Amino acid sequence: SAVISQKPSRDICQRGTSLTIQCQVDSQVTMMFWYRQQPGQSLTLIATANQGSEATYESGFVIDKFPISRPNLTFSTLTVSNMSPEDSSIYLCSVARLDSYEQYFGPGTRLTVT
Amino acid sequence: AQTVTQSQPEMSVQEAETVTLSCTYDTSESNYYLFWYKQPPSRQMILVIRQEAYKQQNATENRFSVNFQKAAKSFSLKISDSQLGDTAMYFCAFMKLSDDKIIFGKGTRLHILP
Repeated sequence: SAVISQKPSRDICQRGTSLTIQCQVDSQVTMMFWYRQQPGQSLTLIATANQGSEATYESGFVIDKFPISRPNLTFSTLTVSNMSPEDSSIYLCSVARLDSYEQYFGPGTRLTVT
Repeated sequence: AQTVTQSQPEMSVQEAETVTLSCTYDTSESNYYLFWYKQPPSRQMILVIRQEAYKQQNATENRFSVNFQKAAKSFSLKISDSQLGDTAMYFCAFMKLSDDKIIFGKGTRLHILP
């Protein structure tokens, strides 16, 4: 497995502002992903964070709204831009190694937009 | 497209009892992985058990076991000797062999009663 940390663990933000969430893993991993979990709902994949290149976004998610960086094999950020109350969710990062199909999740960031 | 269906939104059982959570999925793929994840109130997603579709033998992890019926596209989770700490949301999940994207079901909220 891997030890994954996320910062911040929670935040309350005003609409129209942006928040950057950090994901740090304790060892080099091949794949990093960002998920959104809306209140009482399941997880939805936002994008795959690619090291050294642009993230790959899923249908319904765009780079202008959710810019992602991955400068190295252990760190990634997700920014939620121009927030609205509909962005209130838990945001989770997950990681996987090339030699393993298992994904491990960070503790999540609970975002509330007022 | 792949889909994962969990037909039991919520379940309650007494401590020490055995409980089975249902999951069905739809795919045209022949090679894939199936998972059960647990999300306690702390919101940390924990991988409980995994099954490779090419393996006929059902996976077992201590008190957790699965009943994998490939032809029926069914993947149920059995928790034996349930404990209070098993109280959580349980998500069934699917991943294609050729793809690192996990598709989650809507979840089953499990309450273990003292």
